Amino acid sequence: GAVVSQHPSWVICKSGTSVKIECRSLDFQATTMFWYRQFPKQSLMLMATSNEGSKATYEQGVEKDKFLINHASLTLSTLTVTSAHPEDSSFYICSESRGGRNEQFFGPGTRLTVL
Amino acid sequence: KNQVEQSPQSLIILEGKNCTLQCNYTVSPFSNLRWYKQDTGRGPVSLTIMTFSENTKSNGRYTATLDADTKQSSLHITASQLSDSASYICVARQSEYGNKLVFGAGTILRVKS
Repeated sequence: GAVVSQHPSWVICKSGTSVKIECRSLDFQATTMFWYRQFPKQSLMLMATSNEGSKATYEQGVEKDKFLINHASLTLSTLTVTSAHPEDSSFYICSESRGGRNEQFFGPGTRLTVL
Repeated sequence: KNQVEQSPQSLIILEGKNCTLQCNYTVSPFSNLRWYKQDTGRGPVSLTIMTFSENTKSNGRYTATLDADTKQSSLHITASQLSDSASYICVARQSEYGNKLVFGAGTILRVKS
């Protein structure tokens, strides 16, 4: 069964509003979770690494003030897209890493559409 | 530059037929190679993980091979089913520099009846 859940599965919002996406680890205490973005017909692009109890690590070119990440517990990480614009419309996927091979388990994704 | 290249970009096959997807990587230092299946509008699901010492690994009708010398991998799908229609993503993991995953662009497979 699923080990990572995301909520909501899709969201439509107006330009300028903020949207929060939740990522939950269902049966594992994940000290580290990852946030990806995927545009149509492209592969996943890592946005940031979410660390429980500390600041997230952002990839080059990703604005930390625009994509706020909070990892307040071992089972929940949130991504808030602030002042969303149409170009932020994308598929956002979180994942967690576990096991000796650091196998990554991905959430089902959240489709964000900004009008 | 760390890269993962996949071919073909897309593929259409008839139900019941076999197919092979290719992956070339230049990730260094190399830790392991993964194949994921991503259904449309869903997150990727792991099919196989192989380290440099593993040449082949199977998961049901999916068989992955790895040649660490030539830095090539393949994913063979046997007796394809309609439900195999998806994007198949090859991912190489570095063993240092933050253990990053390098994603290929994926091969879009469509199985038709």
